Amino acid sequence: GIQVEQSPPDLILQEGANSTLRCNFSDSVNNLQWFHQNPWGQLINLFYIPSGTKQNGRLSATTVATERYSLLYISSSQTTDSGVYFCAVVESYIPTFGRGTSLIVHP
Amino acid sequence: KAGVTQTPRYLIKTRGQQVTLSCSPISGHRSVSWYQQTPGQGLQFLFEYFSETQRNKGNFPGRFSGRQFSNSRSEMNVSTLELGDSALYLCASSLEYRGTEAFFGQGTRLTVV
Repeated sequence: GIQVEQSPPDLILQEGANSTLRCNFSDSVNNLQWFHQNPWGQLINLFYIPSGTKQNGRLSATTVATERYSLLYISSSQTTDSGVYFCAVVESYIPTFGRGTSLIVHP
Repeated sequence: KAGVTQTPRYLIKTRGQQVTLSCSPISGHRSVSWYQQTPGQGLQFLFEYFSETQRNKGNFPGRFSGRQFSNSRSEMNVSTLELGDSALYLCASSLEYRGTEAFFGQGTRLTVV
């Protein structure tokens, strides 16, 4: 099956810093989503981005499908950005999640 | 518009018992997918239902089953519970089943003792 690798696995930042999270995948995909898992376990949609670039406030994402990677940018990070960020890809209608990037933002 | 609703939120069961979890999708969404999240295996796809039919299935034993009703609500059943079934079970709804954007519920945390 498809392999999804996220990096870095852990990230610690000071409030106000910028960061880039990466998602590499091993095959062509039908779609790609980024999620933020809050402390209560719910997955919050960030981006649905099979290709191209999208921005939403301090967050933006870029997927280069031909090169099989996606990037999530977080600018001016806040303590509320803490949590685990997952990318999920769909290949042949089967979803596969990466292991996530655990982000801690200190005040 | 209401989001995806999962019930119950927390559940404690004994090894060998069975359990049924419920998921109500976003209004108008016809696809429901189920996932298991554990610290060791991460987030894993269980199965997806669309129009009351299982469309896709992950690599889980037959003890894990599901169904979908005509109003798109879905249930997941796990029989003969094992300690390793302790996990957060997440449900997601989508408009269609062909890999469209998924929206997740808050999950059901199952503990098997």
